[in-house]
Amino acid sequence: QSALTQPASVSGSPGQSITISCTGTSSDVGSYNLVSWYQQHPGKAPKLMIYEGSKRPSGVSNRFSGSKSGNTASLTISGLQAEDEADYYCCSYAGSSTDVVFGGGTKLTVL
Amino acid sequence: QITLKESGPTLVKPTQTLTLTCTFSGFSLSTSGVGVGWIRQPPGKALEWLALIYWDDDKRYSPSLKSRLTITKDTSKNQVVLTMTNMDPVDTATYYCAHRPRRGYAFDIWGQGTMVTVSS
Repeated sequence: QSALTQPASVSGSPGQSITISCTGTSSDVGSYNLVSWYQQHPGKAPKLMIYEGSKRPSGVSNRFSGSKSGNTASLTISGLQAEDEADYYCCSYAGSSTDVVFGGGTKLTVL
Repeated sequence: QITLKESGPTLVKPTQTLTLTCTFSGFSLSTSGVGVGWIRQPPGKALEWLALIYWDDDKRYSPSLKSRLTITKDTSKNQVVLTMTNMDPVDTATYYCAHRPRRGYAFDIWGQGTMVTVSS
């Protein structure tokens, strides 16, 4: 069982927006603004899409955005495109002892 | 340009010890704040963090696997080594190493991963 809870799947049509939630606790998501989001296509390594909750690495489309409220972080993808179909994982810093916790992943289907 | 590459056996037997090496370039593990982590992914399942080592030799382990894991670094060779004891078929997974610019930060660059199968 993963430490962070994500929906198993979400779907949307091209051009629409979708949001993936990532629920943790006051010991991880709620305590630090250090949530990251990764995109993983089948057979590929994960790719960093969002770091420090809402920042995009260079080269990542501004269609991807992140936010947080309390113990829940969210990834929003606007203007869905076929190439966005992938698995998405959230990750949070959880303090100096545990350090890293991942979510269980969400499969995004573009209809 | 930062790159990382995992290497090690593709097949191990139950109860054996797995040793994986992450060889990297484009950064130094003697640079303040930098870390390298190991993450695994069983087929069709989620990512699972295993261990981290930082520039100052600070080491962090997944609480659920701590008793089986050891992470070390060889700064001169630009390598990080992960050992996992008492391997079991449930440890069958793709094992990734990844670069972490500083504590608490994201894993910004990942290796391609190496698939390890545990079977007799």
